[in-house]
Amino acid sequence: DAGVIQSPRHEVTEMGQEVTLRCKPISGHDYLFWYRQTMMRGLELLIYFNNNVPIDDSGMPEDRFSAKMPNASFSTLKIQPSEPRDSAVYFCASSPGGSNEQYFGPGTRLTVT
Amino acid sequence: DQQVKQNSPSLSVQEGRISILNCDYTNSMFDYFLWYKKYPAEGPTFLISISSIKDKNEDGRFTVFLNKSAKHLSLHIVPSQPGDSAVYFCAAKSPRLTQGGSEKLVFGKGTKLTVNP
Repeated sequence: DAGVIQSPRHEVTEMGQEVTLRCKPISGHDYLFWYRQTMMRGLELLIYFNNNVPIDDSGMPEDRFSAKMPNASFSTLKIQPSEPRDSAVYFCASSPGGSNEQYFGPGTRLTVT
Repeated sequence: DQQVKQNSPSLSVQEGRISILNCDYTNSMFDYFLWYKKYPAEGPTFLISISSIKDKNEDGRFTVFLNKSAKHLSLHIVPSQPGDSAVYFCAAKSPRLTQGGSEKLVFGKGTKLTVNP
């Protein structure tokens, strides 16, 4: 299996622009998680899905952030409009039902100037 | 407030010696704990875990110890190798109380381990 796939790996954009991050989970995994890693806050959960349904979005920082999972093999995290404080590494992870382990993608490094 | 704390941002040890990484938690509902390892430009990868009903789990050079009364766990790496140099994250999970409920992991901020040859 290819593992969790994220694109792009790097994104540089200007403040105010829309940013879309993409994730393909491991086939057969029921759960999909979006995390953000910063120096100040470490690795924090933004939102997670179970069977394509959002279960908990309490970690989404603001209305500028939105996430969708239109099918079992694809999810997006969108930031509109982006701000410099959104600069971070964004990870997607997936997990099979009944497992405590999560499998992470390589991350997308976002820089907002 | 952080429910999972790794108070040492960094740790440096000599090759062949023991590395001890510590983690404290505040939520007594956590019933499962995991350690993840992260290399630069890669995502975290699962290393070892322990259920709250145990106090020790061992896998090769890696051992995790859990002290529930102190709400403390530690990861021991013996012997340490240069390839172990990475950031180590401690994570904790609450039991699922309702169907479709929480499968969330709460992560600490990580400890950067450097193993010197």
